[in-house]
Amino acid sequence: NAGVTQTPKFRVLKTGQSMTLLCAQDMNHEYMYWYRQDPGMGLRLIHYSVGEGTTAKGEVPDGYNVSRLKKQNFLLGLESAAPSQTSVYFCASSYGGISNQPQHFGDGTRLSIL
Amino acid sequence: TQLLEQSPQFLSIQEGENLTVYCNSSSVFSSLQWYRQEPGEGPVLLVTVVTGGEVKKLKRLTFQFGDARKDSSLHITAAQTGDTGLYLCAGRQGAQKLVFGQGTRLTINP
Repeated sequence: NAGVTQTPKFRVLKTGQSMTLLCAQDMNHEYMYWYRQDPGMGLRLIHYSVGEGTTAKGEVPDGYNVSRLKKQNFLLGLESAAPSQTSVYFCASSYGGISNQPQHFGDGTRLSIL
Repeated sequence: TQLLEQSPQFLSIQEGENLTVYCNSSSVFSSLQWYRQEPGEGPVLLVTVVTGGEVKKLKRLTFQFGDARKDSSLHITAAQTGDTGLYLCAGRQGAQKLVFGQGTRLTINP
């Protein structure tokens, strides 16, 4: 069972470069999420989606864009990377609609911006 | 400002000891979840507590939700080296979003 798959696992960028992080889930989940995890900060929500074609801002959306063109995929874009965006990024998905469903996480993308 | 405050942030104890991790907030949550995260992996759900005062047990782990649904605790009895990891509490806001605490990094020494 693949669950939630994130690509790439590691990436180093220079300031100002752009890139897209890919998230795919095979559980037919409606809800998908992008978080960043920094030391001492826990997980902070960047953007989320409650269904195909929908997106919404989370706690720390500035500098990121997202798209959910297909139900199984949720893309996170950095248009002009900044050193402050160095972090570990996690994608998650959940069944949604039922408030106590768990979120299923991928293994993360470690991103360094030089 | 962290909406959910976990304490302690770091804890290192010997195998066989007991420990308690706390998750506190001034906000009320409809439910609270505890996740555990291993290095290089994403968090994995341990338990969900929903009702104020609820207690759930998972082998040697005991989870409690505060009566006012603003706080929670995780108690581990006779800790084992396999319990080492990052423990995260997360409070649910509405049906869509979780708010995470900053985590407690637990190390159990043999």
